[in-house]
Amino acid sequence: DTAVSQTPKYLVTQMGNDKSIKCEQNLGHDTMYWYKQDSKKFLKIMFSYNNKELIINETVPNRFSPKSPDKAHLNLHINSLELGDSAVYFCASSRLAGYQETQYFGPGTRLLVL
Amino acid sequence: AQTVTQSQPEMSVQEAETVTLSCTYDTSESDYYLFWYKQPPSRQMILVIRQEAYKQQNATENRFSVNFQKAAKSFSLKISDSQLGDAAMYFCALSNSNSGYALNFGKGTSLLVTP
Repeated sequence: DTAVSQTPKYLVTQMGNDKSIKCEQNLGHDTMYWYKQDSKKFLKIMFSYNNKELIINETVPNRFSPKSPDKAHLNLHINSLELGDSAVYFCASSRLAGYQETQYFGPGTRLLVL
Repeated sequence: AQTVTQSQPEMSVQEAETVTLSCTYDTSESDYYLFWYKQPPSRQMILVIRQEAYKQQNATENRFSVNFQKAAKSFSLKISDSQLGDAAMYFCALSNSNSGYALNFGKGTSLLVTP
């Protein structure tokens, strides 16, 4: 009964490839997020969806495209992967879209681009 | 712009002792929430404690407590009776309406617990 799950946990790929990371939450939450943690461990928001609608879209390359087929899922598709995309990507969810809400994180996906 | 600063990249504490991790922040909002998250070597992000800016009483969760000084914009985490399992990266984070509900994280403090 994992609350927020991500697949895969590890992803090794070549530059120029396209890859996807899937996220699912079984908490019944309305809001989901993608964060990127770089090699220095710094965490930064990338996207946020509330009830399948995009509410945050930080300055990330348009090679990154989130997709929310339903409110329990938020997938991240990355086109034309670059070396600098190597990082850990975390999915998170919260009950509602609000700054008072606690965000629950998935286990992370470590992406390595060679 | 909102910033969260953790000025201690690394801290060390002996088992059973107490350690305090520092966090300062800057925001123009009057209402916001502050969080401490723990990231052990397993990489999982775990909520440790949260504090609403309007509540004057400092939050406490078992061995974890905060010292919230709103005027000074300071939000430190105190860990009492430290255990080996407390060894992790600790991240301070701020959330308010300006952040679009996203968490703004500090750079983290790596806590080492020695026997």
